[in-house]
Amino acid sequence: DAKTTQPPSMDCAEGRAANLPCNHSTISGNEYVYWYRQIHSQGPQYIIHGLKNNETNEMASLIITEDRKSSTLILPHATLRDTAVYYCIVRVNNQGGKLIFGQGTELSVKP
Amino acid sequence: SQTIHQWPATLVQPVGSPLSLECTVEGTSNPNLYWYRQAAGRGLQLLFYSVGIGQISSEVPQNLSASRPQDRQFILSSKKLLLSDSGFYLCAWNPGLPSEQFFGPGTRLTVL
Repeated sequence: DAKTTQPPSMDCAEGRAANLPCNHSTISGNEYVYWYRQIHSQGPQYIIHGLKNNETNEMASLIITEDRKSSTLILPHATLRDTAVYYCIVRVNNQGGKLIFGQGTELSVKP
Repeated sequence: SQTIHQWPATLVQPVGSPLSLECTVEGTSNPNLYWYRQAAGRGLQLLFYSVGIGQISSEVPQNLSASRPQDRQFILSSKKLLLSDSGFYLCAWNPGLPSEQFFGPGTRLTVL
């Protein structure tokens, strides 16, 4: 599975958009980009995933560059409850669908 | 709707004692099942995954083993715990690809 690179931490003001970047320059054509988040002492929560088109759901938007070497997760109006570690994962949809987590980005939303 | 259960929620065990953590999924059949461990202040490490009864894939060499005696039951075991086995153990499942994984509430294990 391709490796991802994320900044270790970011701050965001409450009510503003949080833009979390992820580099995955070695991604291959059949690998999807997944985003999860983990609030302290809880299990990870799925946010969104995509292959090459931009995606949007009720939680967030995922913007994938045309060359697919990087992506950005956007939380449009961050709240204090969005404070968590955000993981960007690239995954092939075989091998049992396993996820390989990196260190993620610790997002702190501040009032 | 589907639900994933893990127990116990917390566990304190002495070094050298055995371990058995259980995970069950309700409301689905033939799920893919996963065990992860998260050491303090670190990311999640995939330990085992299973695509069917009796089928276990191990991701890293370690002091632990996994078994899947029933379709929706996944067990993590050890014969003799080490201090380094302490951590937050998470079970997860997905109904098939390319679906996302759903995580259980986790078991926090402290080995003393």
